[in-house]
Amino acid sequence: NAGVTQTPKFQVLKTGQSMTLQCAQDMNHEYMSWYRQDPGMGLRLIHYSVGAGITDQGEVPNGYNVSRSTTEDFPLRLLSAAPSQTSVYFCASSPPGQGGETAFFGQGTRLTVV
Amino acid sequence: GESVGLHLPTLSVQEGDNSIINCAYSNSASDYFIWYKQESGKGPQFIIDIRSNMDKRQGQRVTVLLNKTVKHLSLQIAATQPGDSAVYFCAEMPLAAGNKLTFGGGTRVLVKP
Repeated sequence: NAGVTQTPKFQVLKTGQSMTLQCAQDMNHEYMSWYRQDPGMGLRLIHYSVGAGITDQGEVPNGYNVSRSTTEDFPLRLLSAAPSQTSVYFCASSPPGQGGETAFFGQGTRLTVV
Repeated sequence: GESVGLHLPTLSVQEGDNSIINCAYSNSASDYFIWYKQESGKGPQFIIDIRSNMDKRQGQRVTVLLNKTVKHLSLQIAATQPGDSAVYFCAEMPLAAGNKLTFGGGTRVLVKP
């Protein structure tokens, strides 16, 4: 049972490049979300989705796009990478209407923008 | 904006002693308050949560206390072990609209042998 799988684990980008961070879950969870974690800080919500075809902005959405064409996948796209987007990115999934123990996080993607 | 914050950034504790990690929150509308453990290079790992209509919940070696009067959350770890060394985050979650989590800044727990 894979849970939430993120790829790649590490990535270095040049300023201005674009890329897609992949997130897949095999638990049939309706809710998926992307967070970023800067050094010494808690996670901050970038975008989230309550189901296929539905996405919405979180706390720090600028510079990122998402789409949710299937229940399983929720890719995060960086349109034009900036050094301020250097961070660790976590994807999470959960079913609706249940507590914290049903929310699962991926292992993270460490992104460096130079 | 609404936020969840922590009082102590680093906590050193002797192996076998009890640990207490504190957290203040601001959003009274949250349905769940959650504690996560994060080890280096890994994603947050669920420890325990508490529903907003409760004031105490116990798990295996952990207890979460919720004081809604002063908007305070705490995590107690009994008989702290070396494997408990990690960063601990509190988070709050409304059940509506995506289970969006709002995290605090984290407390690092260092267990001394």
